[in-house]
Amino acid sequence: EAQVTQNPRYLITVTGKKLTVTCSQNMNHEYMSWYRQDPGLGLRQIYYSMNVEVTDKGDVPEGYKVSRKEKRNFPLILESPSPNQTSLYFCASSVGLAGGIAEQYFGPGTRLTVT
Amino acid sequence: TQLLEQSPQFLSIQEGENLTVYCNSSSVFSSLQWYRQEPGEGPVLLVTVVTGGEVKKLKRLTFQFGDARKDSSLHITAAQPGDTGLYLCAGWNTGFQKLVFGTGTRLLVSP
Repeated sequence: EAQVTQNPRYLITVTGKKLTVTCSQNMNHEYMSWYRQDPGLGLRQIYYSMNVEVTDKGDVPEGYKVSRKEKRNFPLILESPSPNQTSLYFCASSVGLAGGIAEQYFGPGTRLTVT
Repeated sequence: TQLLEQSPQFLSIQEGENLTVYCNSSSVFSSLQWYRQEPGEGPVLLVTVVTGGEVKKLKRLTFQFGDARKDSSLHITAAQPGDTGLYLCAGWNTGFQKLVFGTGTRLLVSP
């Protein structure tokens, strides 16, 4: 089954404790991205990757890191989480951008709470 | 920062009613997508429109892209409880090469 998986689905942590949210897709997609979803703000892009070893900042990259060592995996790293990073996070992939007509496939989301 | 404003933010209706959700911007987009997100899941693509004035129908859902490609609407006829969810529009900006998501409309359809 074609899918994007994220782990963990739920995470409660404390300020400053480094964490990684994993993302993996089995569709051989080149383009992957991370979004955060907050009430009233829609989905905001954190980082994206056009291909292996190619990553770039989205709209809200501060406090986050990513890596793309393999095509299928795109982990999101929070080196020193803070309470304002409490949010619902989504990983997404697509065959490319194709002028905005490519379908974005989203993972099930990771709900992160930082206390 | 580009904004895609959706209205209304919340909509609670009875089964069988019709509704329209709007997605508006001051920017021009080369294409526009609509996604639906159910609780505990990620958004799922419903439709992509690429031509100004384009109308697409998906069973009881009708999508329209504005002539000037700055706005879009989603009309649902005879809503059903299964239509409940968060509806998101997303526009593609050619200049910035990025997909911009709208603020979302949360729909609740009661039996």
